[in-house]
Amino acid sequence: ETGVTQSPTHLIKTRGQQVTLRCSSQSGHNTVSWYQQALGQGPQFIFQYYREEENGRGNFPPRFSGLQFPNYSSELNVNALELDDSALYLCASSLLRGRTDTQYFGPGTRLTVL
Amino acid sequence: GNSVTQMEGPVTLSEEAFLTINCTYTATGYPSLFWYVQYPGEGLQLLLKATKADDKGSNKGFEATYRKETTSFHLEKGSVQVSDSAVYFCALDSGGGADGLTFGKGTHLIIQP
Repeated sequence: ETGVTQSPTHLIKTRGQQVTLRCSSQSGHNTVSWYQQALGQGPQFIFQYYREEENGRGNFPPRFSGLQFPNYSSELNVNALELDDSALYLCASSLLRGRTDTQYFGPGTRLTVL
Repeated sequence: GNSVTQMEGPVTLSEEAFLTINCTYTATGYPSLFWYVQYPGEGLQLLLKATKADDKGSNKGFEATYRKETTSFHLEKGSVQVSDSAVYFCALDSGGGADGLTFGKGTHLIIQP
């Protein structure tokens, strides 16, 4: 069984640019969530997708957007990058979207904004 | 809103010592509680979870009991090993996934031989 994978591993962008991060869910999982983890902090919830629809969103501006595809892979897009967007971006998938369901995390994408 | 508070680190222990990492929470409804571990350069791995009051989660010698009366979910291990060195995160999920997981800031654990 393949776990959650993310690409790329590392990325360097400059302020004002746009970036797309990708995630492949664990086999059979139809829910994906994205988190931002700043250095030395716990992950912060960005949004969740369930069956290609946004199911919930944290306190992030609209320039953070996402997609989920029919095969349940997902993208996180960030427009107009700011220096504070530098962080580890984590994708997590779960079988269902209930509060008892375990979210399985990928290794993350390290984004550096210069 | 939801919040998780865990003890600040780093926590430094000798091998075979007893470990406790405190975690308390504030949440609406009846959250599920989780402990995740993050090894250097890696993503988060689920360590254990509990989905209702008085449940005990356990894995790899680690345990935590869901205490609704004290809103706590403290992580314990009887005898730590050098390989347990990592960052530990306490988290809750109260919203059926729509609010995502709410994490604490993490506790860096260092085990010395």
